[in-house]
Amino acid sequence: AQSVAQPEDQVNVAEGNPLTVKCTYSVSGNPYLFWYVQYPNRGLQFLLKYITGDNLVKGSYGFEAEFNKSQTSFHLKKPSALVSDSALYFCAVRALTSGGSYIPTFGRGTSLIVHP
Amino acid sequence: GAVVSQHPSWVICKSGTSVKIECRSLDFQATTMFWYRQFPKQSLMLMATSNEGSKATYEQGVEKDKFLINHASLTLSTLTVTSAHPEDSSFYICSASRQTGTPTDTQYFGPGTRLTVL
Repeated sequence: AQSVAQPEDQVNVAEGNPLTVKCTYSVSGNPYLFWYVQYPNRGLQFLLKYITGDNLVKGSYGFEAEFNKSQTSFHLKKPSALVSDSALYFCAVRALTSGGSYIPTFGRGTSLIVHP
Repeated sequence: GAVVSQHPSWVICKSGTSVKIECRSLDFQATTMFWYRQFPKQSLMLMATSNEGSKATYEQGVEKDKFLINHASLTLSTLTVTSAHPEDSSFYICSASRQTGTPTDTQYFGPGTRLTVL
């Protein structure tokens, strides 16, 4: 079964500093990886995805993520954090299941807090 | 573009009643829609996947007769929680995709519906 792990429940960073939100995955097959952001009482917003090609993927709001196949990781990064980046971030993977479908599996989420 | 709405945004109901939640894709045709439950400080749990015009595929452990899903058109899917009980209280989120069964298609999420069953 496929799974996604976000090892940190919360990440704290000062405004202007770089941020990293970690994600590792486990699938049997090629993974399709996604990052979403959720603001309070709102649905998830798509940030970026890795399908194939360049391991470094650039997305919305200055975020980027690096796919590392050997480490089965897809960490989310941003060079300079903003207070407005404070939100809940979800990593997700879609891979072919034994049932022949591509079911999305989400991590538990990481709360990012950017301090002024 | 790619906006998904949900209605209502929150609902409070008495135990034993049924509640219908609507999910609409406002500016695109959604071939596939997903329904999730989200518990506080936890991840999204996929409940079911529905393709327009066909029966929904439920995940293991999700009661089909309790959570009725209808995807009658390319812009509307509904989730009906039948005979709701307090343990059904949760945040329900839908998402929509333009394509069917394609792993790379982006899911667009609705804002969610907070259900509280008294």
